[in-house]
Amino acid sequence: GAGVSQSPSNKVTEKGKDVELRCDPISGHTALYWYRQSLGQGLEFLIYFQGNSAPDKSGLPSDRFSAERTGGSVSTLTIQRTQQEDSAVYLCAGSLGWGRPTNTAAFFGQGTRLTVV
Amino acid sequence: GQNIDQPTEMTATEGAIVQINCTYQTSGFNGLFWYQQHAGEAPTFLSYNVLDGLEEKGRFSSFLSRSKGYSYLLLKELQMKDSASYLCAVRELWRPRDDKIIFGKGTRLHILP
Repeated sequence: GAGVSQSPSNKVTEKGKDVELRCDPISGHTALYWYRQSLGQGLEFLIYFQGNSAPDKSGLPSDRFSAERTGGSVSTLTIQRTQQEDSAVYLCAGSLGWGRPTNTAAFFGQGTRLTVV
Repeated sequence: GQNIDQPTEMTATEGAIVQINCTYQTSGFNGLFWYQQHAGEAPTFLSYNVLDGLEEKGRFSSFLSRSKGYSYLLLKELQMKDSASYLCAVRELWRPRDDKIIFGKGTRLHILP
């Protein structure tokens, strides 16, 4: 696609419910990142995928959070048993992977605003 | 591991010049980016440095000193639309033949008329 697509753009869910957030990166972008941003705060790294290698899950805040990337393209971030502190904007970014010029930046989607009530 | 520090907030006047500093500590440096993020929007790419020195792009310039682990973003002739957060991000080699981009917390820049 022409840009990074995230869906839904907004999600309101009840505490305790599971949610799935989707990211469709730019075609050919083998590196994919998930970040979380609370209101007025910086980007919090969650997870990173690079091609078929094992992902870096070091930023996931708890075992309620998981992500997968199927076929090296679309990624889904799942939050189980949502809590109010999970409310934030979840941003996905993709970039060309290892071996490409290092000046290739990460390009962001518009994010999913998650509100847990 | 990595540690990226930048001021939380800065204020400057329209038409003036402002410099936003970023210091970093990383075990495998492979480039530094600056991004701009307007409120309610996604970050957008501004500049990239991998070698020491100054990169100029219109009103914006970015400087890097690898030996000092230091970068700055210089904004000239400030305009009201420059009010935004500016994010410093480091590309770090974290395992053989793989690197990833880690962001600082960002600097919120307020422009006064």
